[in-house]
Amino acid sequence: DADVTQTPRNRITKTGKRIMLECSQTKGHDRMYWYRQDPGLGLRLIYYSFDVKDINKGEISDGYSVSRQAQAKFSLSLESAIPNQTALYFCATSDSGTTLVGDTQYFGPGTRLTVL
Amino acid sequence: AQSVTQLGSHVSVSEGALVLLRCNYSSSVPPYLFWYVQYPNQGLQLLLKYTTGATLVKGINGFEAEFKKSETSFHLTKPSAHMSDAAEYFCAVSDRNNFNKFYFGSGTKLNVKP
Repeated sequence: DADVTQTPRNRITKTGKRIMLECSQTKGHDRMYWYRQDPGLGLRLIYYSFDVKDINKGEISDGYSVSRQAQAKFSLSLESAIPNQTALYFCATSDSGTTLVGDTQYFGPGTRLTVL
Repeated sequence: AQSVTQLGSHVSVSEGALVLLRCNYSSSVPPYLFWYVQYPNQGLQLLLKYTTGATLVKGINGFEAEFKKSETSFHLTKPSAHMSDAAEYFCAVSDRNNFNKFYFGSGTKLNVKP
């Protein structure tokens, strides 16, 4: 089984709808991240969480919110989806205990979201 | 904040030819450095990373990268391309002075011609 899972894998929705993307991990990592990927722009950080009680905005947090329900679960919400939020969304995890080895991030398979 | 520059959004090589994907970073303090690969319709997979020690780092699938502090570079190479190497490659840095936040380059799509 995959260490980092994302649901749904694909979603088509309409402008103004509320959408939640979910991420679960079995790696036991305390740090979790949400990125979006757009062609030619690489990955951009939306939100990150270093533990259950720690939530931080990334570089493009406007229009998004997150919830860290447990160490293993980190959800991303779009309260009112708009077409320019159409993108590929990735969840990632890392282990703060490995700071000395660069805090490698491990990625889920991605969620392709289309907002019409 | 860090920035990561990948020269060439698309690179095309023939099967068996050298692969060279370029990555430069901006930081006065050498960050941790990573290369990730993304195959079509998949997530990102770690190819290799540099943290400390030997500046030539070997990764999976025959790839390697060399950290050159004087050039602020971490270029990815493979001596002989294989068709299965066709994918998008991302360089990333982890900022040691900022809780190891990651910054990604814009990616380079590698096409391998038969």
